[in-house]
Amino acid sequence: AQRVTQPEKLLSVFKGAPVELKCNYSYSGSPELFWYVQYSRQRLQLLLRHISRESIKGFTADLNKGETSFHLKKPFAQEEDSAMYYCPCLGGTSYGKLTFGQGTILTVHP
Amino acid sequence: ETGVTQTPRHLVMGMTNKKSLKCEQHLGHNAMYWYKQSAKKPLELMFVYSLEERVENNSVPSRFSPECPNSSHLFLHLHTLQPEDSALYLCASSQGLGSYNEQFFGPGTRLTVL
Repeated sequence: AQRVTQPEKLLSVFKGAPVELKCNYSYSGSPELFWYVQYSRQRLQLLLRHISRESIKGFTADLNKGETSFHLKKPFAQEEDSAMYYCPCLGGTSYGKLTFGQGTILTVHP
Repeated sequence: ETGVTQTPRHLVMGMTNKKSLKCEQHLGHNAMYWYKQSAKKPLELMFVYSLEERVENNSVPSRFSPECPNSSHLFLHLHTLQPEDSALYLCASSQGLGSYNEQFFGPGTRLTVL
């Protein structure tokens, strides 16, 4: 069964510092991974997906199949990046099934 | 209203009550989902509907009964729930089921079972 682990429940950095939110997955096939974000008082929304190899709001994430990781990185964190971040995995024979990890709460201090 | 809406936003019910959660999407999507978010557990998929047909039941107890009368509406009928069913229930929709189909989430219904 596929599984996603986000080892850090809480992560705090200062504005302007680099930030990396860790995500590890366990999946036997070819996983499709995403990062979703939930800002305060807003609903959960897609941030980026690995198949698009995109950079959104300065964030990037590279799928490392050797380390089974999909860490989210930003070189210079901003206060508005403070939010809950999830790294779900889509795959297998389950239609449209996203498997979520516990999530990481990022706080960027001024 | 745009996007995905859910009603009610908050619900308190007894274990013998019967209630329903409603989700409506205004995006013209073909797939809809129910997720459960408990206090100390990851967000967990419950059901997936595609073109009004259930395509995924993630081992959910029968006291939760989904209904999708059309592609814009999704219900979750609740009966004889347990206190451990208290959670945030999120609805989502997407154009299709593949990886390029972003899931759009509603604000959730906060359910408390007494």
